[in-house]
Amino acid sequence: GAVVSQHPSWVICKSGTSVKIECRSLDFQATTMFWYRQFPKQSLMLMATSNEGSKATYEQGVEKDKFLINHASLTLSTLTVTSAHPEDSSFYICSARSTSGLGNEQFFGPGTRLTVL
Amino acid sequence: DQQVKQNSPSLSVQEGRISILNCDYTNSMFDYFLWYKKYPAEGPTFLISISSIKDKNEDGRFTVFLNKSAKHLSLHIVPSQPGDSAVYFCAASLVGSGNTPLVFGKGTRLSVIA
Repeated sequence: GAVVSQHPSWVICKSGTSVKIECRSLDFQATTMFWYRQFPKQSLMLMATSNEGSKATYEQGVEKDKFLINHASLTLSTLTVTSAHPEDSSFYICSARSTSGLGNEQFFGPGTRLTVL
Repeated sequence: DQQVKQNSPSLSVQEGRISILNCDYTNSMFDYFLWYKKYPAEGPTFLISISSIKDKNEDGRFTVFLNKSAKHLSLHIVPSQPGDSAVYFCAASLVGSGNTPLVFGKGTRLSVIA
């Protein structure tokens, strides 16, 4: 159990376009999901906490108008990178914590590699 | 202020020997600790955890030790295998804090040499 999927797994886009990344908890419900970004050879950087039915909470330095997060259901959160630029190229990872019974772990998706040309 | 610290960015170990990865934390309120393993271009996968009421938890080749007074935990892998080569993240949380993310260290890259 406790599988988190992400789609797409990789995407290449032109500068100035928007890209949507989906994060789904496949076999459990998640009131809270988290979005991370990882640059090469660096740690995971928490971008925002996504709460089902309410606004996301962004970490300091993360532009909420650029990284739009929607958590419309207990199994789906989306991250939209708006007006993407080459510096947004990165590996984006989501994670989810279960609403019940699965302890304190966060379960991570496989990640989405975004390349902005 | 980094609440979870992994001071060794990398570690190399011979196959068959023991790998010891260390982690220190500063927040005495943390009461649950986890280790994650991450391969390149993949999401982290949960490896092993320990509650603050214990000082040791073992799962096959992996053992996590917790020293609360020193605010220190370590992950032992024995015997180490080439497939263990990955980045290992230490994480900490407060029990019941379902809406807050785990606090991660910066990771230690383990290389197991055949």
